[in-house]
Amino acid sequence: DTGVSQDPRHKITKRGQNVTFRCDPISEHNRLYWYRQTLGQGPEFLTYFQNEAQLEKSRLLSDRFSAERPKGSFSTLEIQRTEQGDSAMYLCASSYTGAGGETQYFGPGTRLLVL
Amino acid sequence: GQNIDQPTEMTATEGAIVQINCTYQTSGFNGLFWYQQHAGEAPTFLSYNVLDGLEEKGRFSSFLSRSKGYSYLLLKELQMKDSASYLCAVNAGGFKTIFGAGTRLFVKA
Repeated sequence: DTGVSQDPRHKITKRGQNVTFRCDPISEHNRLYWYRQTLGQGPEFLTYFQNEAQLEKSRLLSDRFSAERPKGSFSTLEIQRTEQGDSAMYLCASSYTGAGGETQYFGPGTRLLVL
Repeated sequence: GQNIDQPTEMTATEGAIVQINCTYQTSGFNGLFWYQQHAGEAPTFLSYNVLDGLEEKGRFSSFLSRSKGYSYLLLKELQMKDSASYLCAVNAGGFKTIFGAGTRLFVKA
């Protein structure tokens, strides 16, 4: 079991640029989540996939944000026309339906800094 | 609305016992989680409670009272490496897990 992995771990970009992050969940997990976390706060839910279907999106997820999970395996989160307010840690988590109340296991996160 | 409250910061001494409280108000309830998060790192799973009572796991124990909307995490024999943020999170049904802002614990020698 290799755990959840995310790439890149750090990203610095200029305002207005597009960025894409990747998440590889634990292989047998069918649910995948994206969260955003800022300093001193808990993770805030962004979006959720069950297999390849995106079943829920937070109102936090503006039109500049899009996420995909082709084939129900890895997922990507893209932010278009980045703004300074997008600077945060982007966390991916995965879980298996019905196991332990949907215990979510987190990846190491991608820390984004928008200049 | 959905709300999870926990103290912002706590300080304790190495070797001591500390209790971190969490109260919640959510639209549904399918279990409560505690996660540990060191600075700059991802949250790591500590415990899960779905029934009332105490769950013990080594130096860490977690308690739940569903009728009171209350949980606590008990850390015994504190070590310096326990300095971290502790996140209380509630599964409000299905995929929806809501996280508190976390309690920063400082362990001093």
